[in-house]
Amino acid sequence: EPEVTQTPSHQVTQMGQEVILRCVPISNHLYFYWYRQILGQKVEFLVSFYNNEISEKSEIFDDQFSVERPDGSNFTLKIRSTKLEDSAMYFCASSDLSGGVEQYFGPGTRLTVT
Amino acid sequence: DAKTTQPTSMDCAEGRAANLPCNHSTISGNEYVYWYRQIHSQGPQYIIHGLKNNETNEMASLIITEDRKSSTLILPHATLRDTAVYYCIVRVSNYQLIWGAGTKLIIKP
Repeated sequence: EPEVTQTPSHQVTQMGQEVILRCVPISNHLYFYWYRQILGQKVEFLVSFYNNEISEKSEIFDDQFSVERPDGSNFTLKIRSTKLEDSAMYFCASSDLSGGVEQYFGPGTRLTVT
Repeated sequence: DAKTTQPTSMDCAEGRAANLPCNHSTISGNEYVYWYRQIHSQGPQYIIHGLKNNETNEMASLIITEDRKSSTLILPHATLRDTAVYYCIVRVSNYQLIWGAGTKLIIKP
């Protein structure tokens, strides 16, 4: 069964450093998403991406965040200057032509900012 | 903010049906109700969704009240592997899922 994969599983970085979280969505999916979940809290939508551009973003997704689909398979989330409060699980998801009806999630990347 | 309210936690005996309620009294006419679950330390998993009619798939059934202000997810024969946090979600757009705090369902042997 096809699945969304994410790397790395755990990333530790120092405050102020840039990080790139990587995702490989399911191959025939066209809609891509990033969510985050701070420990013990609910899942929060960050951004959705379709046709090589952002289709929606939340208030959390400010100028320090960016997304990119650098090639035909990868989908990345960059955080330019990490803050302590960016520590969270980051989940990538993808969905097919049906426009986000059923989103398939990856296993997540745990980001720890020290 | 989340548009749904769910009980914080529930228990269910293994082999019995687990019925998870959700209130979404402010739902709009074109907003779908989704259910996802998150097994500890894993990514969320889609279960089922519906608009007005009851729905069933290989994982669960979704019962939506006629006024659409509440719904119930039914796991017909719960197993230990169904222990997870279950999220009732209203989809506010084509892309954005608004998550609540979910119900922690514990299946007991």
